[in-house]
Amino acid sequence: EAGVTQFPSHSVIEKGQTVTLRCDPISGHDNLYWYRRVMGKEIKFLLHFVKESKQDESGMPNNRFLAERTGGTYSTLKVQPAELEDSGVYFCASSQKLSGSDTQYFGPGTRLTVL
Amino acid sequence: AQKITQTQPGMFVQEKEAVTLDCTYDTSDPSYGLFWYKQPSSGEMIFLIYQGSYDQQNATEGRYSLNFQKARKSANLVISASQLGDSAMYFCAMREGFSGYSTLTFGKGTMLLVSP
Repeated sequence: EAGVTQFPSHSVIEKGQTVTLRCDPISGHDNLYWYRRVMGKEIKFLLHFVKESKQDESGMPNNRFLAERTGGTYSTLKVQPAELEDSGVYFCASSQKLSGSDTQYFGPGTRLTVL
Repeated sequence: AQKITQTQPGMFVQEKEAVTLDCTYDTSDPSYGLFWYKQPSSGEMIFLIYQGSYDQQNATEGRYSLNFQKARKSANLVISASQLGDSAMYFCAMREGFSGYSTLTFGKGTMLLVSP
């Protein structure tokens, strides 16, 4: 079974440009999460999809970030326009069921560098 | 206030020895789950072990065990018989509530280096 995949693995863009990150969850996982780790800090939650619906987007830093999950399969996270402080590693995770013991399986992350 | 605290930025251990990575947590919710993830240099986050707040026994998964001390609010990861491939960043995380809608809160991580 394929794990969570993310594309691209690295992205280097200039301030003001737009970048779109993609996440393909494990097949059959209704729950999809986005997290971000800024250099030297904790991994922070961004948002949670249940199928195509945004269940919780309380972690989204501002309206420059837009996440979508059309059809309840893969998800995209767009940053427009990118700022220097958006640099970091963006992780996607997916899980199957909603319960306390439900394990979130993470992708390899996308390393975003904004110059 | 920090919900997950990992006080060891880095740890060194020799191959075949056991090592304990510390994690303390803070929550007022009686229902919660604790997770440990490993992040090798390749970048992916690998799930290692889970402990629920109502679990009576400490969780174990192969060479990994979780030393769960509820009264002290600690959930230390014990790796027995360390291997070179255990060198990685280790993250402790917590989910509060059992609805599944609550998300993971992570600590800052501990970098473990295993030497021959």
